[in-house]
Amino acid sequence: DAGITQSPRHKVTETGTPVTLRCHQTENHRYMYWYRQDPGHGLRLIHYSYGVKDTDKGEVSDGYSVSRSKTEDFLLTLESATSSQTSVYFCAISIQGGVDGYTFGSGTRLTVV
Amino acid sequence: AQTVTQSQPEMSVQEAETVTLSCTYDTSESDYYLFWYKQPPSRQMILVIRQEAYKQQNATENRFSVNFQKAAKSFSLKISDSQLGDAAMYFCAYSGGSNYKLTFGKGTLLTVNP
Repeated sequence: DAGITQSPRHKVTETGTPVTLRCHQTENHRYMYWYRQDPGHGLRLIHYSYGVKDTDKGEVSDGYSVSRSKTEDFLLTLESATSSQTSVYFCAISIQGGVDGYTFGSGTRLTVV
Repeated sequence: AQTVTQSQPEMSVQEAETVTLSCTYDTSESDYYLFWYKQPPSRQMILVIRQEAYKQQNATENRFSVNFQKAAKSFSLKISDSQLGDAAMYFCAYSGGSNYKLTFGKGTLLTVNP
């Protein structure tokens, strides 16, 4: 398997609390992405990174922030979790951006109660 | 913005038969890439096949092949000799120009009947 891991795999949290999801890669790929997957919506891009400290917003970025201080780590933070952020979150990595496709992590199932 | 449409929320096929999953996309780019991903119940996203828009030849990977119609902006996936392990959610995805990211369709859930 490609060297990409997400943690935690499952998490239950309360409304209003901050939550941080971690994506770690050992492939030294330049591009990293956070998507959320919801029934009937497919995968939607939250944020992405094209290098250390270089990040940009995706289509559903409200309520989320990211940081990338090292090539291998890309953190997604829900500043104040809401029930609408209950979802499965996927991290992905890529060598050439969209050209070569992505390698995905195993996903984090987040439940906000 | 580019959009990807999968018009079949669910499909079913008999084991050993052939099934085709549909995908259309909207773009003004001339250079782009198209993908099919498989997501089995394990939740893992697996790249099935990739097509470069500038290539006329349809991509093939074993039992998986695509019918790429650039003028019609259509990118369908054909699965031959379907197996029980092919049962999964299938996502079509597009990447265009220099935007460095994939846009996904909403997915088609494929059931394989024994």
